[in-house]
Amino acid sequence: GAVVSQHPSWVICKSGTSVKIECRSLDFQATTMFWYRQFPKQSLMLMATSNEGSKATYEQGVEKDKFLINHASLTLSTLTVTSAHPEDSSFYICSAKESYTEAFFGQGTRLTVV
Amino acid sequence: AQSVSQHNHHVILSEAASLELGCNYSYGGTVNLFWYVQYPGQHLQLLLKYFSGDPLVKGIKGFEAEFIKSKFSFNLRKPSVQWSDTAEYFCAVNGDNYGQNFVFGPGTRLSVLP
Repeated sequence: GAVVSQHPSWVICKSGTSVKIECRSLDFQATTMFWYRQFPKQSLMLMATSNEGSKATYEQGVEKDKFLINHASLTLSTLTVTSAHPEDSSFYICSAKESYTEAFFGQGTRLTVV
Repeated sequence: AQSVSQHNHHVILSEAASLELGCNYSYGGTVNLFWYVQYPGQHLQLLLKYFSGDPLVKGIKGFEAEFIKSKFSFNLRKPSVQWSDTAEYFCAVNGDNYGQNFVFGPGTRLSVLP
């Protein structure tokens, strides 16, 4: 299947700093990308959906000013966690899809804020 | 809005037992349905998908699922499980806007005892 690469796979940052996570579709053009958050032993919680070239659509309860999403090209989307706090520590997963296909997932990024 | 429910939080089976994991969704339009699996420490992988046509779909590793439109269900089955099937299983729905709201169920943890 298609490959989605997420970077970094693991990051530790200090409280108050910002962290950027990249999601790339390596062998297809991702018209839509999704960002999820997964807490331990829980399901994926959709944070936002982004279509290339347009603003992301955030799910209810997700702070758009805190979780900045940019989908500037058909192969790259970024999630920036601004002014991170320990409660932002989580596993962040991106997925990407072309139209009329299933979504392919990145390997996830474990963020730890200390 | 779409929602997905999965009947069981945790299923424990012995090897060679048959498996059926329930999935129900709520959405009024045309849907695409998916089952994803997450093995311990790994990222999500697609098991199977339904877009249209034969409502009985076969996936990888001997899994199959049946779409019953009248029941809004997409249950996952496997006639004989193996220890290596121990994982978290997620049902997901993508509505007919193709790029909007790729929503996951809460997941079912499957533990197969050797």
